[in-house]
Amino acid sequence: GQNIDQPTEMTATEGAIVQINCTYQTSGFNGLFWYQQHAGEAPTFLSYNVLDGLEEKGRFSSFLSRSKGYSYLLLKELQMKDSASYLCAVRDSNYQLIWGAGTKLIIKP
Amino acid sequence: ETGVTQTPRHLVMGMTNKKSLKCEQHLGHNAMYWYKQSAKKPLELMFVYNFKEQTENNSVPSRFSPECPNSSHLFLHLHTLQPEDSALYLCASSQEGGSGANVLTFGAGSRLTVL
Repeated sequence: GQNIDQPTEMTATEGAIVQINCTYQTSGFNGLFWYQQHAGEAPTFLSYNVLDGLEEKGRFSSFLSRSKGYSYLLLKELQMKDSASYLCAVRDSNYQLIWGAGTKLIIKP
Repeated sequence: ETGVTQTPRHLVMGMTNKKSLKCEQHLGHNAMYWYKQSAKKPLELMFVYNFKEQTENNSVPSRFSPECPNSSHLFLHLHTLQPEDSALYLCASSQEGGSGANVLTFGAGSRLTVL
């Protein structure tokens, strides 16, 4: 079967750096997405990786290794507003999105 | 209005009620989706409409009935639901075809409680 694994919950300190990992086993690969979802709000698109390597976008970066079936989302200079759930999703060979259960990130002062 | 709008935001219904969820997208996208989000579970794709044609129905019980009258509007009709259907129902849209990521834009969801 197809599977996306990510930690259920993580805690970090304001101003610090946190890395949220995502591993996947899917039937083929056509891109990996990260979404942010604040409580009671819509998931919003953060990043898209289709080739190996690091994509940087401001305080957020996303890394992909297709050979290892692995990605991470790196958040720098954490702010209280970064408290949210982070969803990892992979598009498989049929262009279906396979979703992880999400990682709830708690930022403490 | 911009983006994807869902109404109502909260809905409480009995198992014998009939209700509908509404979604409207103002992005000119050609595909619309219904997802179910339950606590600590991955998003579950329910239905996909591409150019107003239903292209996906992931073994969803018949008590959920989608309707897509045009490319901007999507409904989810609910009838004789079960308590386990209580969840957040998310609508999304995307522009399919061509190259690129085909990113989903989500609405804020309709929180459904079935008593």
